[in-house]
Amino acid sequence: ETGVTQTPRHLVMGMTNKKSLKCEQHLGHNAMYWYKQSAKKPLELMFVYNFKEQTENNSVPSRFSPECPNSSHLFLHLHTLQPEDSALYLCASSRGTGAASSYEQYFGPGTRLTVT
Amino acid sequence: EDQVTQSPEALRLQEGESSSLNCSYTVSGLRGLFWYRQDPGKGPEFLFTLYSAGEEKEKERLKATLTKKESFLHITAPKPEDSATYLCAVQGSGNTPLVFGKGTRLSVIA
Repeated sequence: ETGVTQTPRHLVMGMTNKKSLKCEQHLGHNAMYWYKQSAKKPLELMFVYNFKEQTENNSVPSRFSPECPNSSHLFLHLHTLQPEDSALYLCASSRGTGAASSYEQYFGPGTRLTVT
Repeated sequence: EDQVTQSPEALRLQEGESSSLNCSYTVSGLRGLFWYRQDPGKGPEFLFTLYSAGEEKEKERLKATLTKKESFLHITAPKPEDSATYLCAVQGSGNTPLVFGKGTRLSVIA
């Protein structure tokens, strides 16, 4: 595997379900990110982890719960979601979060989430 | 607050018809401006980073330029495979996260 991988690629869940999204990066990076992408809106940053520590939580509702066990893996745990949470969820990684050169982010293919 | 505005929202070109996409930004202390390409159903693909006004970078038919207020992505003699959404993002000073624009959806017709 190379780059950034995400599973599953597609997910349909009911509002009472609990599911998890998984992201793995094979680039040796230290920072990982979750973004939400909805139609007609810019990418919305959700969470940032740097060396496994959460450094950014962009006022995300508690029904989204991230987990970063190491610098290569990132999870997004989902529970009691709302239909408006349906979107493409993208994971990204970068060398770091300091200088711009280390901020170049590389994205996974995303998980298309539909909440029914 | 850092802001990015991309125009046009959508652009339709004939194959071989050169054009430019615009990314206007306001940021306190630009540390980097990033261009990405995104194909439908896929994640954004990194293209360029520009760090200071006057800088230019090229890749195949794409050339990115930067001024103190905006960046242009010039597409020379585009081909249908250049059809995608092009995203612009900026990073300001103080370790702030990237701020993305809404993107320009480019369609190149054979």
